[in-house]
Amino acid sequence: SQQGEEDPQALSIQEGENATMNCSYKTSINNLQWYRQNSGRGLVHLILIRSNEREKHSGRLRVTLDTSKKSSSLLITASRAADTASYFCATAPTSGTYKYIFGTGTRLKVLA
Amino acid sequence: EAQVTQNPRYLITVTGKKLTVTCSQNMNHEYMSWYRQDPGLGLRQIYYSMNVEVTDKGDVPEGYKVSRKEKRNFPLILESPSPNQTSLYFCASSYSTPGTGGSYNSPLHFGNGTRLTVT
Repeated sequence: SQQGEEDPQALSIQEGENATMNCSYKTSINNLQWYRQNSGRGLVHLILIRSNEREKHSGRLRVTLDTSKKSSSLLITASRAADTASYFCATAPTSGTYKYIFGTGTRLKVLA
Repeated sequence: EAQVTQNPRYLITVTGKKLTVTCSQNMNHEYMSWYRQDPGLGLRQIYYSMNVEVTDKGDVPEGYKVSRKEKRNFPLILESPSPNQTSLYFCASSYSTPGTGGSYNSPLHFGNGTRLTVT
């Protein structure tokens, strides 16, 4: 079963605005990762945040992690039309399974 | 260039006709995995492999087989495809196995996908 739930399912914003996506999960994790998928293509890794980290930045991306609430958020600042894609969180549980668990994703549309 | 290569990109077949989707990575990764992606269901893991000759079932293994005879290759085999296996398939690899090594897991590298239609 999928433990990651992204929110919102879909988001439409104007170019230049910020986009925020949220991810909730259920079990203890080693790390949480965010991926981007352009229509029908393979997922591309964006950023990884470890369970002992609270915030991480990479270019226009900012990720936060709250392990007490079992949630993470991805912020894309100053969005561009090229950011239009689906975004997925993936969690690596601490034990019991040897797999990443993906959420169902947030579809982001950035209007030029 | 570091990459995961899947073939074919598109495949249309008929029920019951055995097929293989190939996956190869050139990064010497230990961990490889197959996913299927269906609308509204996200990515679901089919099988994974932690190393050569070490494979295990994921969440939706029924109707699929895999093998890992070499570190770089991880083919997905559908012995008798059925229409409910129509889906978008992805192969992925990573340096380390998730759930091991504490928080220092490496990210997954994905292939470009195989869109399979079974009629």
